[in-house]
Amino acid sequence: KAGVTQTPRYLIKTRGQQVTLSCSPISGHRSVSWYQQTPGQGLQFLFEYFSETQRNKGNFPGRFSGRQFSNSRSEMNVSTLELGDSALYLCASSQGLAGELETQYFGPGTRLLVL
Amino acid sequence: AQSVTQPDIHITVSEGASLELRCNYSYGATPYLFWYVQSPGQGLQLLLKYFSGDTLVQGIKGFEAEFKRSQSSFNLRKPSVHWSDAAEYFCAVGATGANNLFFGTGTRLTVIP
Repeated sequence: KAGVTQTPRYLIKTRGQQVTLSCSPISGHRSVSWYQQTPGQGLQFLFEYFSETQRNKGNFPGRFSGRQFSNSRSEMNVSTLELGDSALYLCASSQGLAGELETQYFGPGTRLLVL
Repeated sequence: AQSVTQPDIHITVSEGASLELRCNYSYGATPYLFWYVQSPGQGLQLLLKYFSGDTLVQGIKGFEAEFKRSQSSFNLRKPSVHWSDAAEYFCAVGATGANNLFFGTGTRLTVIP
């Protein structure tokens, strides 16, 4: 079974621009979560999508948004980029079973550099 | 609120030596605990997890971890380290029905030949 895939793997943007990152979960997985990893703040949860709905949200400003499509693929968008948004963005997928504690499987990440 | 502490930022061991990486958690209910490993420029790979039952859990690559409720700890161990184990290791705590993991700050492992 193919793992979680993320595109693109690397991105360079300038301040003020916006960016869209894509994540394709493991086949059959319906939950997709996004995390931001930076040297200063470590790994932080952004949000989770399940059945095209945001099910859980971390403590990030509204510039960070996401969506999920009917095939469970997810996109994450960051508007009005700031230098501090430079990070590795990781996507994780799981089956999405309600009320269950699940194992999340992570993709390789998209490394975003904001200049 | 959940939180995870990994007290060791960086550990250096010789190849063949034993390894223990520390993890302490804070969580009001039964914790669900994970160890992930990250190689440079890569995503996170699951090493092992504890949901319930036997407090000593076995994982991939010869790793094991022991859940100690009295000490709020979930330390990762390996009896003999290989050079390929050099990476960053993250401990995380999760909750039922919520796919938002709380991660520790990570421990970077260097293996000396």
